[in-house]
Amino acid sequence: QLQLQESGPGLVKPSETLSLTCTVSGGSISSSSYYWGWIRQPPGKGLEWIGSIYYSGSTYYNPSLKSRVTISVDTSKNQFSLKLSSVTAADTAVYYCARLIAAVGLDPWGQGTLVTVSS
Amino acid sequence: EIVMTQSPATLSVSPGERATLSCRASQSVSSNLAWYQQKPGQAPRLLIYGASTRATGIPARFSGSGSGTEFTLTISSLQSEDFAVYYCQQYNNWHPTWTFGQGTKVEIK
Repeated sequence: QLQLQESGPGLVKPSETLSLTCTVSGGSISSSSYYWGWIRQPPGKGLEWIGSIYYSGSTYYNPSLKSRVTISVDTSKNQFSLKLSSVTAADTAVYYCARLIAAVGLDPWGQGTLVTVSS
Repeated sequence: EIVMTQSPATLSVSPGERATLSCRASQSVSSNLAWYQQKPGQAPRLLIYGASTRATGIPARFSGSGSGTEFTLTISSLQSEDFAVYYCQQYNNWHPTWTFGQGTKVEIK
């Protein structure tokens, strides 16, 4: 059974870079059938897609975040990562990683990790 | 950019009753639409994909319909565990971008 787990600091200072890693277990991140993605949810609000990556390294970003987002993949560790630069309090959210199945959707999801931006 | 609009924002329903949730796309997304259920403190769970196909393990009381710009999620007889927030999401097969609606909260009446 495929599982995803987010990891990284729970507190980031304003103007710094948020860095998270998603570790995939129970399956290979190098499968040609899937993309891998990051989604976030500010407290009490809805879901926002951040971006996606293919195992080959091709990336797709939300236009509203594109200038600050970098998603990368490390197939040797079965992980993919998110970097969000110049963060502000508006970036405080639960960050989820998930597998993206074309023509299907996001399944499964990681449990999510809360990242708070505060000095 | 495609905008997804869900209605209503909150739906109050009694257990055993039917719930009908709507999702509208600002332009056609064909059948590239998924529905998710999210309970407090949990990650979202895929319910429906391809506008009308139930994901693995999803009960038959959940059904999806629609194509183009108008979509509906129906819960035929609400169970206690169905009270949650539901999101629709469109996906673009040719350029893997994904947009969520703002969500509909289904609460106990």
